[in-house]
Amino acid sequence: LAKTTQPISMDSYEGQEVNITCSHNNIATNDYITWYQQFPSQGPRFIIQGYKTKVTNEVASLFIPADRKSSTLSLPRVSLSDTAVYYCLVGDIGRDDKIIFGKGTRLHILP
Amino acid sequence: DTGVSQDPRHKITKRGQNVTFRCDPISEHNRLYWYRQTLGQGPEFLTYFQNEAQLEKSRLLSDRFSAERPKGSFSTLEIQRTEQGDSAMYLCASSYGGQDEKLFFGSGTQLSVL
Repeated sequence: LAKTTQPISMDSYEGQEVNITCSHNNIATNDYITWYQQFPSQGPRFIIQGYKTKVTNEVASLFIPADRKSSTLSLPRVSLSDTAVYYCLVGDIGRDDKIIFGKGTRLHILP
Repeated sequence: DTGVSQDPRHKITKRGQNVTFRCDPISEHNRLYWYRQTLGQGPEFLTYFQNEAQLEKSRLLSDRFSAERPKGSFSTLEIQRTEQGDSAMYLCASSYGGQDEKLFFGSGTQLSVL
C-alpha cells in the first residue's frame, strides 16, 4: 500500500468547512483513496472513496487532483459531532494485501 | 445487513489467562480482518482471512495469538497467557474484497489485562 501523510491534528469551529489533506506521492495506477472516520470506543466507519477528480456523498466530498499524489477530504458545515479521527488509506485493496491504517488526523470541533 | 458483531464488548482478565473473542461478519462478506488498537494510535493490522483461508498474519503478532475462521463464517481470536501489554481494543472488520474494497467494522472488544 502507498504510504500516506496527513496532519496529526486540526481544530475548527462549528459551521465551518473543514478540509483535511492527505499526501500519497507513491500512489499506483490501480490504487483507490479511501477515508474512514472513528469516534472514541467505536470501530472506524467508511466515509468516502474515490479514484480521480471529485466524489461527493451525503457526508463529505473528496477532491483528487490530476496527478493523484494527494487528496482532500472536505466536510461542509461541521458540527461538534464531527469531532473524530479521520484516516486516509490508499491502495489496490482487491489484491491480496492487508489494509494498513496510519495514525490519522484528530479533528476537534469547537463551539 | 445486520452489521459486524463482536462479542464480548468488554473483557477483564488476569495476566496469564487465556481469552477468546468472536466476530460475526456481514453474511455475504468473504474477507475478515482483525486489528488491535491502543489509545492514540490507529488500528494495527493483526491478520486477515479470505473465506476460511488465513492469508496473512502480522510479524508483530506473537505465537500466543491465533485466529480461525471455520467454514468462512464467524471468526475467533484467541490470546493465550495474556500479558498486560495485550490490553487494547480488538477490532474486527469484514468486506466484499475487490479493488474498491470498503471495510465494515464492529464495535470492538476492549480487553483489560490486570
